[in-house]
Amino acid sequence: DAGITQSPRHKVTETGTPVTLRCHQTENHRYMYWYRQDPGHGLRLIHYSYGVKDTDKGEVSDGYSVSRSKTEDFLLTLESATSSQTSVYFCAISGGGSYQETQYFGPGTRLLVL
Amino acid sequence: AQSVSQHNHHVILSEAASLELGCNYSYGGTVNLFWYVQYPGQHLQLLLKYFSGDPLVKGIKGFEAEFIKSKFSFNLRKPSVQWSDTAEYFCAAFAGNNRKLIWGLGTSLAVNP
Repeated sequence: DAGITQSPRHKVTETGTPVTLRCHQTENHRYMYWYRQDPGHGLRLIHYSYGVKDTDKGEVSDGYSVSRSKTEDFLLTLESATSSQTSVYFCAISGGGSYQETQYFGPGTRLLVL
Repeated sequence: AQSVSQHNHHVILSEAASLELGCNYSYGGTVNLFWYVQYPGQHLQLLLKYFSGDPLVKGIKGFEAEFIKSKFSFNLRKPSVQWSDTAEYFCAAFAGNNRKLIWGLGTSLAVNP
């Protein structure tokens, strides 16, 4: 398995509170991604990064922000959590010289927003 | 818009039965294709991938997939499933110059012992 860790692995929070999820990789891969997984929706891309300080939006970016100050860390922040953001969040990484390389996934974070 | 379709949402098989899960994509140019598996409570793991070359791709755990360009398909197969193959299976594709991986909605496979 690729060297990807996510923290926390489980979190319960209340509506309106900020939440930050961390993805850490030891592979020195250029590309990092945040997805959410919900029943009936499969995997949906939230944000991705193509280098330090270089990020872009995915298909469901509203209510989320990201930061990447180091190659190894990609942070996902829910500015003000809502119940619709209850989900399982997966980080993924890929290397090589192109976006179109294989993505490897972290263990996931289960987030419950009450 | 480019898309990936997985026709079987839920599949139930008995052990030793053969498996074929359908995947179709909607793009006529160059594609990179993937199958991932997600065991209950776990993260996604790569089963196999096709970038170019031999259209019959062999992956881990005895799985294989065949890229048929004329049918825009990349079906996953296994000749004899085991109870441990119970999982969700996702097909995904990079199409053209798209920077984002396009995902199917997944197929849930249950294998009865």
